[in-house]
Amino acid sequence: RKEVEQDPGPFNVPEGATVAFNCTYSNSASQSFFWYRQDCRKEPKLLMSVYSSGNEDGRFTAQLNRASQYISLLIRDSKLSDSATYLCVVIRGGANNLFFGTGTRLTVIP
Amino acid sequence: GAVVSQHPSWVICKSGTSVKIECRSLDFQATTMFWYRQFPKQSLMLMATSNEGSKATYEQGVEKDKFLINHASLTLSTLTVTSAHPEDSSFYICSARDPLGRTMNTEAFFGQGTRLTVV
Repeated sequence: RKEVEQDPGPFNVPEGATVAFNCTYSNSASQSFFWYRQDCRKEPKLLMSVYSSGNEDGRFTAQLNRASQYISLLIRDSKLSDSATYLCVVIRGGANNLFFGTGTRLTVIP
Repeated sequence: GAVVSQHPSWVICKSGTSVKIECRSLDFQATTMFWYRQFPKQSLMLMATSNEGSKATYEQGVEKDKFLINHASLTLSTLTVTSAHPEDSSFYICSARDPLGRTMNTEAFFGQGTRLTVV
């Protein structure tokens, strides 16, 4: 089983829609969780960290469910500029244990 | 500003030549750096973990003699693609974390990536 699993999509949604991505992780010892955004031909950039209590940044909400071992990203009121690949990253502990999901491709349609 | 700098951002080389890619941590010392490869419309694939002062750890299927990694200092790791062939054309990205970050929840920082085209 992969350390981190993500639905690759693609997700094609109309502008203004709400879309949610999930990412599951296999190791319960995982400690830190992040969502990254990657635009075409660019490096991934941190979108937001995911805290146990959940966190929100504008139209973006991230949540962590340790019992079920998944994290989620909710995007409200989708904009055309949200079109990108969203990567789930899990860190188990220590600098060596960094795991990526395959990324979920989102396209927001006018 | 960038905390991990990668150079060059793009390179075109002839088949059979070698190409060196540099990855530098600017604001911190990175004992570990990660090298990834990404083909078009595919996800990041970890190639190897670069360890300062010791041998790199390669992922299964990655040829260590073809992809030479040197992590000679705490701020610099290099990836050399030896005897490059067209199938090595890809987007190569390095990453590092700050092991002395303020909290355990320190994210990974990525270099800008290097687009390699072998002709």
